Amino acid sequence: QITLKESGPTLVKPTQTLTLTCTFSGFSLSTNGAGVGWIRQPPGKALEWLALIYWDDVKRYSPSLKSRLTITKDTSKNLVVLTMTNMDPVDTATYYCVHRAATALIDYWGQGTLVTVSS
Amino acid sequence: DIQMTQSPSSLSASVGDRVTITCRASQGISNSLAWYQQKPGKAPKLLLYAASSLESGVPSRFSGSGSGTDYTLTISNLQPEDFAAYWCQQYYSTPLTFGGGTKVEIK
Repeated sequence: QITLKESGPTLVKPTQTLTLTCTFSGFSLSTNGAGVGWIRQPPGKALEWLALIYWDDVKRYSPSLKSRLTITKDTSKNLVVLTMTNMDPVDTATYYCVHRAATALIDYWGQGTLVTVSS
Repeated sequence: DIQMTQSPSSLSASVGDRVTITCRASQGISNSLAWYQQKPGKAPKLLLYAASSLESGVPSRFSGSGSGTDYTLTISNLQPEDFAAYWCQQYYSTPLTFGGGTKVEIK
C-alpha cells in the first residue's frame, strides 16, 4: 500500500530556509501519471496547496509562493524534497506530503509534520 | 485560479441527523471534486472523488452529488465518529484549491 512520511526540522528561525523531505513507498515516481505534492495547514486554518512534482519532472507551484518554493525528486531513493526560503512566523503550519494519482486525485496523505517559525 | 466556496463553515447536528455541505467552484470543474474528512491532529482522509465516487472502505452513509460548479456532500444518519472537519478540493487544474472547511459539531 502507499505510504508517505515527512521529515525535517520542527523549529526554524525567521528568514531561514526550510527543507522538508518526503519518503514514500508503494509506488514509483517514474510511473506515468504519478506525482507527489505538498499541502500545508496553519493551526486551526484551511488547507493550502504548495507544490507538485510529476513523474516526468514537471513541477507546479502555488502562484502566491512560487518565488520561495523549490520541489525536487530522487526517483531511485523514493523521495521528494521541498525547500521554502525566507521563512516567516505566518508559515507556521503542519506540512503534509501527498500522493497524486494518474487521475490527478490526491488520494494518500502523510501524517504531517508541524513546523514552527519563531526566533 | 479556481476559487472554492464551501458552506456552512460550521454546523451543529445530532446523531442520526442528515447533514448537507455544499461547495461551489468559481468555474466548471467537470466533477474533478474530492471530499476529505479530518479529525483533530490527523491528516485529511479521502471520502469521495469524482464528485460522487465513494472511496473504498468509506461507509455508504456518505454520498456526493453535483456537476458543473455546484457540489454537495451528504451524510445520512450521522454517527458519533462523523463529528469532524470536512474539506472539498478541486483537482481539475493547478493550483489545486480547497474550500474553507466545514466543522460538524455535536448539538
